[in-house]
Amino acid sequence: SQTIHQWPATLVQPVGSPLSLECTVEGTSNPNLYWYRQAAGRGLQLLFYSVGIGQISSEVPQNLSASRPQDRQFILSSKKLLLSDSGFYLCAWSDTLGDEQYFGPGTRLTVT
Amino acid sequence: SQQGEEDPQALSIQEGENATMNCSYKTSINNLQWYRQNSGRGLVHLILIRSNEREKHSGRLRVTLDTSKKSSSLLITASRAADTASYFCATSSYGNNRLAFGKGNQVVVIP
Repeated sequence: SQTIHQWPATLVQPVGSPLSLECTVEGTSNPNLYWYRQAAGRGLQLLFYSVGIGQISSEVPQNLSASRPQDRQFILSSKKLLLSDSGFYLCAWSDTLGDEQYFGPGTRLTVT
Repeated sequence: SQQGEEDPQALSIQEGENATMNCSYKTSINNLQWYRQNSGRGLVHLILIRSNEREKHSGRLRVTLDTSKKSSSLLITASRAADTASYFCATSSYGNNRLAFGKGNQVVVIP
């Protein structure tokens, strides 16, 4: 069966520090991968998605970047965090674009 | 952009009652999906209904889709305390296969 992992679970970082969040998927090949951010009490905002290694589509211009160095690994990064980067970051995967997505447990990021 | 909009935003019911949530959207869709999120956790996919389907069941869940009204409803029958969660609808549109999520609908089931 497929599983998706995210780490760390929680993170507190000062403004201006770098960020690296990691997501890995097991039990499937060539998944579509997604990064979302969820502000408190809000819906999900799609940040990036990837249909293959090295292929990244950015949905929202911002302080963040994403990379997919391996088939089942998706990384969200920032060189300098802003206060507005605080939120709940969710990674997800799907077999087919537009069909059901399977989410990781999320990372709670607080920028102080 | 967020296309799905759930209504009502918050719902509090007694255990055993039915819970109904609605979702409206604006553009033509390929499918509509419902997800559940427990507090502080990731989303769990519940059910997907395609644009050529009108109703779908999964256990205690019933989803309807009215493409003429651009709306969907999620019914949870015989609710349980464990159903307490936020419920999101998400749409996938033709030519744009990313999911657009609504803001969510918080359901509290009182034991």
